[in-house]
Amino acid sequence: ETGVTQTPRHLVMGMTNKKSLKCEQHLGHNAMYWYKQSAKKPLELMFVYSLEERVENNSVPSRFSPECPNSSHLFLHLHTLQPEDSALYLCASSLTTASGNTIYFGEGSWLTVV
Amino acid sequence: KQEVTQIPAALSVPEGENLVLNCSFTDSAIYNLQWFRQDPGKGLTSLLLIQSSQREQTSGRLNASLDKSSGRSTLYIAASQPGDSATYLCAVRDSSNTGKLIFGQGTTLQVKP
Repeated sequence: ETGVTQTPRHLVMGMTNKKSLKCEQHLGHNAMYWYKQSAKKPLELMFVYSLEERVENNSVPSRFSPECPNSSHLFLHLHTLQPEDSALYLCASSLTTASGNTIYFGEGSWLTVV
Repeated sequence: KQEVTQIPAALSVPEGENLVLNCSFTDSAIYNLQWFRQDPGKGLTSLLLIQSSQREQTSGRLNASLDKSSGRSTLYIAASQPGDSATYLCAVRDSSNTGKLIFGQGTTLQVKP
């Protein structure tokens, strides 16, 4: 238990659906992240939020839309996804984005796009 | 652009063996390097974090070394156990304070009883 909770753990959606992934951290951290882990590819950073402001968008398609309403919650809104978007989506948090702070990961949300 | 490579991609050993997992990175200007463990279908658990000024870190049967100038790190696992079976990921951070981790593809370890 790392203090970073993701829901749902598994999601199957059609290409025309709209769904959201939720992440919550109880660690008092000010930075939150979305990472994507696809089969046979390294984990890739998608978005970074610091104090509820997006500070990095790693060239992610607009069909992925993040939202950070407060420093404890992070969402990833999904719309008109493609089958190749099927992956494990990992949320993480750290005290700040400073390089000396440890990053803690959630258990991930498995997404299958059919 | 920083790239992280892990060799081998998969490893199978009998229980009790000592083993070494390798990680290399192309840009030596890192702030720290972290080893993670990932069990099937699960998130990442941090094992060891080595700051760029350090040469090694130890935790129980795990020892991680860092040779920043040559762009290499190793994770040594002593007296391996079936419970060590998992994927081991190496990740580096630079000093840009963006919170960005650059990951390798991982080494999947199977320890047979």
